[in-house]
Amino acid sequence: DTAVSQTPKYLVTQMGNDKSIKCEQNLGHDTMYWYKQDSKKFLKIMFSYNNKELIINETVPNRFSPKSPDKAHLNLHINSLELGDSAVYFCASSPGHGRKETQYFGPGTRLLVL
Amino acid sequence: SQQGEEDPQALSIQEGENATMNCSYKTSINNLQWYRQNSGRGLVHLILIRSNEREKHSGRLRVTLDTSKKSSSLLITASRAADTASYFCATDATGNSGYSTLTFGKGTMLLVSP
Repeated sequence: DTAVSQTPKYLVTQMGNDKSIKCEQNLGHDTMYWYKQDSKKFLKIMFSYNNKELIINETVPNRFSPKSPDKAHLNLHINSLELGDSAVYFCASSPGHGRKETQYFGPGTRLLVL
Repeated sequence: SQQGEEDPQALSIQEGENATMNCSYKTSINNLQWYRQNSGRGLVHLILIRSNEREKHSGRLRVTLDTSKKSSSLLITASRAADTASYFCATDATGNSGYSTLTFGKGTMLLVSP
């Protein structure tokens, strides 16, 4: 009965590899997000999708490619991983993308690039 | 650029004491939200205060908002060891995309000792 789930929880990989992180929400929300939290705990938005459509795309390297097969899923694929990609990646969802929206976060995926 | 800045960065108190955390931001906002993050977990929404509100209560939480000073405070009364966590303020503002975006500060790490 988890609201927002992410897999995997931990991901350790070598530089140059390609990896994917999956996110699913069972809240019936229309909007989903990807955030990156660095080692200093600074949380920054990367992407947002509303009903499978990309609505927010912050300055993120094009090695990162989100994909939303349906409004309950938002996956993140990362090509040619770099050391600086090491961080915790959080998926979140909200009912819509308007004002006063509360976001519901997943447990995070801890990515370590060696 | 980063919107919210929390102060202090870390706070250590005894159970039963009150904890006050502050947040300052730079631009106009739709609303301001506070989230809690327990170690190794995702963020959990605590409370939302709209830009036309000055104070809001929820259980042991009290949030104030001063839009003229672009600042907010979160007060946790009668703290408990279980309140130990990082607390983030997040400002909801309409970005260049025309969509509402949450921008998080770096957080205040609260330690409540029994």
